[in-house]
Amino acid sequence: DVKVTQSSRYLVKRTGEKVFLECVQDMDHENMFWYRQDPGLGLRLIYFSYDVKMKEKGDIPEGYSVSREKKERFSLILESASTNQTSMYLCASSLAGTGGNPYFGNGTRLTVT
Amino acid sequence: DAKTTQPTSMDCAEGRAANLPCNHSTISGNEYVYWYRQIHSQGPQYIIHGLKNNETNEMASLIITEDRKSSTLILPHATLRDTAVYYCIVRPPNSGYALNFGKGTSLLVTP
Repeated sequence: DVKVTQSSRYLVKRTGEKVFLECVQDMDHENMFWYRQDPGLGLRLIYFSYDVKMKEKGDIPEGYSVSREKKERFSLILESASTNQTSMYLCASSLAGTGGNPYFGNGTRLTVT
Repeated sequence: DAKTTQPTSMDCAEGRAANLPCNHSTISGNEYVYWYRQIHSQGPQYIIHGLKNNETNEMASLIITEDRKSSTLILPHATLRDTAVYYCIVRPPNSGYALNFGKGTSLLVTP
């Protein structure tokens, strides 16, 4: 069965901390994505990667960076967490190309105090 | 990507069919209709997609009108576990990497 695993379901961090959100997929998918989901705003794409060491900015990349050193793992980094980054973060993966159906993890709810 | 319009919320009795409508009057000829759902505290889950013909899989059926301006997702025998937010998404086959989820329909299945 398809599986996208996010390392934490809940995370509480302080303002200014560096935060790492980890995502692992076991489907040998080429594409991986990071979204954030906020009430009233839907899902917004932060970054995506279509290959190891490749990354592309999504709609809201400011304040975030990503790392993809291995095909199965995609990390989202908050360099200096701020309260407006309190959100639900969702990782997804899909097959190569732009038409694949993304499969999502169950999300990490991050609270920045 | 074409815009979609869905009702904000719907109710359905357990065991009955749930019919979730979606309007996409500005859909282009090569755009597919996708349906995802998101159960509380989980990530979105792919359900089904189609272009012109009606589609069926183990989860649901997708009925697309002949003019393709609207579609209906049918859950034939809704269960309490089908309570979720359902998203109708329209996009071309190679439109880019992201899906525009919109606000969806909150479906409540009641006993």
